[in-house]
Amino acid sequence: EDQVTQSPEALRLQEGESSSLNCSYTVSGLRGLFWYRQDPGKGPEFLFTLYSAGEEKEKERLKATLTKKESFLHITAPKPEDSATYLCAVQAGNTDKLIFGTGTRLQVFP
Amino acid sequence: NAGVTQTPKFQVLKTGQSMTLQCAQDMNHEYMSWYRQDPGMGLRLIHYSVGAGITDQGEVPNGYNVSRSTTEDFPLRLLSAAPSQTSVYFCASSQGVRDQPQHFGDGTRLSIL
Repeated sequence: EDQVTQSPEALRLQEGESSSLNCSYTVSGLRGLFWYRQDPGKGPEFLFTLYSAGEEKEKERLKATLTKKESFLHITAPKPEDSATYLCAVQAGNTDKLIFGTGTRLQVFP
Repeated sequence: NAGVTQTPKFQVLKTGQSMTLQCAQDMNHEYMSWYRQDPGMGLRLIHYSVGAGITDQGEVPNGYNVSRSTTEDFPLRLLSAAPSQTSVYFCASSQGVRDQPQHFGDGTRLSIL
């Protein structure tokens, strides 16, 4: 069964304290892995798409990487405005559907 | 550019009532979908559409109906509301069917009493 697991569930960081969020997946043939950011009361906002192992994408303080079993979202020197829930989703095989993880809730304190 | 617009933002229903959640996108996207988001469960796909006139079931379709008569609109109908359908509902759209990031609306918060 296709599955996506995110860890940790919650993460508290001091401003400037770098860390990583994990998304591990089990799917039959990965077509794409997606990272989203979700602020309270809002819909998910697209961040990155990764398609193959070894691929990396960067945007400001965020960097996403992909292996055959997991993806990491690295946050370098985070700021309070990076506080949000980060969601990972995969699209597998010949399906038209996305499978979402339950997210990591990140809080960055000044 | 409005993107994906969902109405209403909040709704309270009584058990057994029916209602329609509206979703419209102005990006000429082929693919549209409906999700529900519940605490600790992540986003779960209810129904999706790969183009006007074509719809299919997702992971949790029971109790919901959809139709896609135009490219822009994809309404979700609750036939007879149940407390288990209390959730936050998100509509999303994407350029293509596969490998494309989805753009989400800001959700409808629905409570069934």
